[in-house]
Amino acid sequence: DAGVTQSPTHLIKTRGQQVTLRCSPKSGHDTVSWYQQALGQGPQFIFQYYEEEERQRGNFPDRFSGHQFPNYSSELNVNALLLGDSALYLCASSARGGTAYEQYFGPGTRLTVT
Amino acid sequence: RKEVEQDPGPFNVPEGATVAFNCTYSNSASQSFFWYRQDCRKEPKLLMSVYSSGNEDGRFTAQLNRASQYISLLIRDSKLSDSATYLCVVVYGPFLGGGATNKLIFGTGTLLAVQP
Repeated sequence: DAGVTQSPTHLIKTRGQQVTLRCSPKSGHDTVSWYQQALGQGPQFIFQYYEEEERQRGNFPDRFSGHQFPNYSSELNVNALLLGDSALYLCASSARGGTAYEQYFGPGTRLTVT
Repeated sequence: RKEVEQDPGPFNVPEGATVAFNCTYSNSASQSFFWYRQDCRKEPKLLMSVYSSGNEDGRFTAQLNRASQYISLLIRDSKLSDSATYLCVVVYGPFLGGGATNKLIFGTGTLLAVQP
């Protein structure tokens, strides 16, 4: 049973560029949440997708956008990258009807903006 | 004020020691509470849920005090393999349902280093 997978593992970008991160949820899961974890901090909620729609959003600017596909996989897009966007980006999946708050995290994508 | 506050540590303890971590949360509407463990450069993994009645899982005991908005994690007989960052997590409100999953609110984490 495959867990949550994310790609790429690492990424280096330059300020002003755009980046797309990808996530495949755990088998049987249909909801995907994205979190940003800066160095020395806990993860912060970016947004959540279910049925290809954004259902909840955290306190992140519009530069952060996402998408969910019919196969439940998801993308996180960040435009006009800033140095402060350097972080570990975590994807978490959950299942409707499952344990109310149980989310499984992927290994993350480490983004460095120079 | 942060929604979830933890002492960042590090906590340096010898093998076999008992160590306790504390966490406070600011929103009294918080409904569910968890401790996650995060190894260096890895993803967070659920360690245990926290209930008002307290719960125990082997060497780990979690406690919740709703009146004081305070959560604790006690680790007995520390092992080298317990070295990690421990993240306190709260969830607001009732289960959203309708396809949405309540977002997790993380503390900054407490770093534990168990020394041989």
